[in-house]
Amino acid sequence: SQQGEEDPQALSIQEGENATMNCSYKTSINNLQWYRQNSGRGLVHLILIRSNEREKHSGRLRVTLDTSKKSSSLLITASRAADTASYFCATDTGRRALTFGSGTRLQVQP
Amino acid sequence: DADVTQTPRNRITKTGKRIMLECSQTKGHDRMYWYRQDPGLGLRLIYYSFDVKDINKGEISDGYSVSRQAQAKFSLSLESAIPNQTALYFCATSAGDTQYFGPGTRLTVL
Repeated sequence: SQQGEEDPQALSIQEGENATMNCSYKTSINNLQWYRQNSGRGLVHLILIRSNEREKHSGRLRVTLDTSKKSSSLLITASRAADTASYFCATDTGRRALTFGSGTRLQVQP
Repeated sequence: DADVTQTPRNRITKTGKRIMLECSQTKGHDRMYWYRQDPGLGLRLIYYSFDVKDINKGEISDGYSVSRQAQAKFSLSLESAIPNQTALYFCATSAGDTQYFGPGTRLTVL
């Protein structure tokens, strides 16, 4: 079964609104990463947060991590049509390879 | 030129055929990975390699084999393709926490 599970599975918002997606995981992690995938293309790394960090920012992205709840959230502020993509969380448990969740499909309406 | 390339980009084959998917990288990374992605799902790890002499099975290695011909090349083979191996296949590389993905190979097994 997947280590990470994203919620919601799909999200549709208007341009300019904020988008929030969540990731829950099951076992202890070294870090958690978020990746973006445009339709049918390879994944692109967005941001990494380590287990001893609670919040991290990168441009319009804000990631939080709550290790006590084994959950993370990705916030995209002031969304744009170009943000339309699938977003995946991936956990690094120190077992040599990442484990990816099933993703959130974000649609930003212009 | 792209740092991680995959060939072919699309392939249609028949049940029972042997298929090889190739991955090359110019990033100089030691670590390479093969994933498959099915519609609406995240990525599942097939095999990974941390150097030329290190090959490891992932979550779903049955029906697949790999070859690490050099630091820059990592090939995935389907010895006898079956329809449920129809999927999008991604190669990735890393030198640390972050993974860098190729553009993917869309494989259809009839």
